[in-house]
Amino acid sequence: EDQVTQSPEALRLQEGESSSLNCSYTVSGLRGLFWYRQDPGKGPEFLFTLYSAGEEKEKERLKATLTKKESFLHITAPKPEDSATYLCAVLGYNQGGKLIFGQGTELSVKP
Amino acid sequence: EPEVTQTPSHQVTQMGQEVILRCVPISNHLYFYWYRQILGQKVEFLVSFYNNEISEKSEIFDDQFSVERPDGSNFTLKIRSTKLEDSAMYFCASRWDRGDYNEQFFGPGTRLTVL
Repeated sequence: EDQVTQSPEALRLQEGESSSLNCSYTVSGLRGLFWYRQDPGKGPEFLFTLYSAGEEKEKERLKATLTKKESFLHITAPKPEDSATYLCAVLGYNQGGKLIFGQGTELSVKP
Repeated sequence: EPEVTQTPSHQVTQMGQEVILRCVPISNHLYFYWYRQILGQKVEFLVSFYNNEISEKSEIFDDQFSVERPDGSNFTLKIRSTKLEDSAMYFCASRWDRGDYNEQFFGPGTRLTVL
């Protein structure tokens, strides 16, 4: 069964304190791994798509990387406005376009 | 910047009543989805829709649920007889047709509360 597990469930950082979020996945053929940001009471906001092991994507203070079993979202020198829940989702070959989501990592950045 | 919109933002209903949740996908997108998120839980897939028919549905999407694209812009989710356990955030998503490797863009959600 396709599955996505994210860790940690919650992460508290001081402003400027860099860290990484983990997304471990098992899927029957990976077509894509997606990172989303979700603010409270809002819909997921697209951040990155990764397609193959070794691929990296960057956007401002965020950098996403991918291996054959996991993805990392690295946050460099975070600011309070980076506080949100970060969701990882996978799309497999046996799925008709549906995304399988992890439970998310709730990030809190204090000034 | 184009975005997915959803109405209403919050719907309160009595158990057993019918509700219709509405979505306007991004205009040139061809694939449409409904997901839901029960408070504190994962976002979970309900149904995908392409070329005016359902392409895949989850176990959650039983006979009480239906989807429709009544015109060229709207995409609706109907729950015929709501249950307490249907209380959740419902998200609509859409994507373009550029092969399989497309990100899905999500709307802001409709919070459904069943009393």
